[in-house]
Amino acid sequence: SAVISQKPSRDICQRGTSLTIQCQVDSQVTMMFWYRQQPGQSLTLIATANQGSEATYESGFVIDKFPISRPNLTFSTLTVSNMSPEDSSIYLCSVRDRGFYGYTFGSGTRLTVV
Amino acid sequence: AQTVTQSQPEMSVQEAETVTLSCTYDTSESNYYLFWYKQPPSRQMILVIRQEAYKQQNATENRFSVNFQKAAKSFSLKISDSQLGDTAMYFCAFMKHGSSGGSNYKLTFGKGTLLTVNP
Repeated sequence: SAVISQKPSRDICQRGTSLTIQCQVDSQVTMMFWYRQQPGQSLTLIATANQGSEATYESGFVIDKFPISRPNLTFSTLTVSNMSPEDSSIYLCSVRDRGFYGYTFGSGTRLTVV
Repeated sequence: AQTVTQSQPEMSVQEAETVTLSCTYDTSESNYYLFWYKQPPSRQMILVIRQEAYKQQNATENRFSVNFQKAAKSFSLKISDSQLGDTAMYFCAFMKHGSSGGSNYKLTFGKGTLLTVNP
């Protein structure tokens, strides 16, 4: 399965600021996925990032709040903009495994907004 | 839209014993995948096992096995010979299979079951 390096692993940010989370994959993948996991909750898909096209956002998530970049087939970033305490969550990126047995996830970014 | 329900927020088991985690789902799709993921305190999501809906045989991976009941839309996970390292949050997840032969790609997760293995 793919290996994903996700950075930062955690951060504490001031409200009103922005944080960019990076995911680097050790192989080329068509799609990368960004999830949010609110405290004590399950994972919710934010958006799907394709290389060379606009990301596709799920209901309740907008590009102005969560802009995504996908400059090549091994890298993507998610920015959490104009943060508020409600954005305090774990953010995870994910890719589909080659041959498709399942999906591999990054180690997550624990974001705390104060 | 698909929904995944895990009715057991928390469970505990003694080391070396067997435990079963429940998962039910609701879908109108006939072809799909089901997964169990494990999330230990490290936050890393780890794939435990997957099941393809068109396969009647239940998937097994070492100490982990599933009981897949398609008609009942049930997908339980059995962990045999529980180990302390099995302590984690377990998520059941659904993904529909696209009619074109590709996959829809989106995973829908249940709320999770926190499993604690006691020494």
